[in-house]
Amino acid sequence: QQQVKQSPQSLIVQKGGISIINCAYENTAFDYFPWYQQFPGKGPALLIAIRPDVSEKKEGRFTISFNKSAKQFSLHIMDSQPGDSATYFCAASINTDKLIFGTGTRLQVFP
Amino acid sequence: GAVVSQHPSWVICKSGTSVKIECRSLDFQATTMFWYRQFPKQSLMLMATSNEGSKATYEQGVEKDKFLINHASLTLSTLTVTSAHPEDSSFYICSARDRGTHGEKLFFGSGTQLSVL
Repeated sequence: QQQVKQSPQSLIVQKGGISIINCAYENTAFDYFPWYQQFPGKGPALLIAIRPDVSEKKEGRFTISFNKSAKQFSLHIMDSQPGDSATYFCAASINTDKLIFGTGTRLQVFP
Repeated sequence: GAVVSQHPSWVICKSGTSVKIECRSLDFQATTMFWYRQFPKQSLMLMATSNEGSKATYEQGVEKDKFLINHASLTLSTLTVTSAHPEDSSFYICSARDRGTHGEKLFFGSGTQLSVL
């Protein structure tokens, strides 16, 4: 029940395209859902986060869509750029306590 | 966003020695910090929760006597890997919770790559 399932494992997108990464959770007590971007050898950087009282949140080219009834949330990266090539992790927690991470998605954006 | 500083970035040590990793919140006070471990091409696994002024809470399967955590101030938590062995080689990352300035978010340090020979 503590798992967060993430897909796809890897994603290849052409420059300018939309990258979509999906996550699903089981624990309905989760109330904080962040997305992190990680480059090799670096710590994760917070991209955007959402709470279950809203269905969508947008910050720049990054959008989180949240479906509470389906217990799913997704990250959309609009106008994907080669610099977006990284590993993306979704996560979930209760009261911003310890995060449970998804398995990660390796995104490659080709020019 | 908030800044979490982690030091050192990488360390190589001999088997049997101890290694200390520091995690500092630079622009906010963190009553709670978290320590994660990440193997190559895998996700982050929570090792323990560090609370300022009290004992750390360890996740199941993590040896508390091997991974000593001290959170002596509101801006500093340390992880000491005692009697390190090659199987302890991993990427260790700390996280700090800011419940004030940045609207209750979790920020990560840059990580420490530990290689035990």
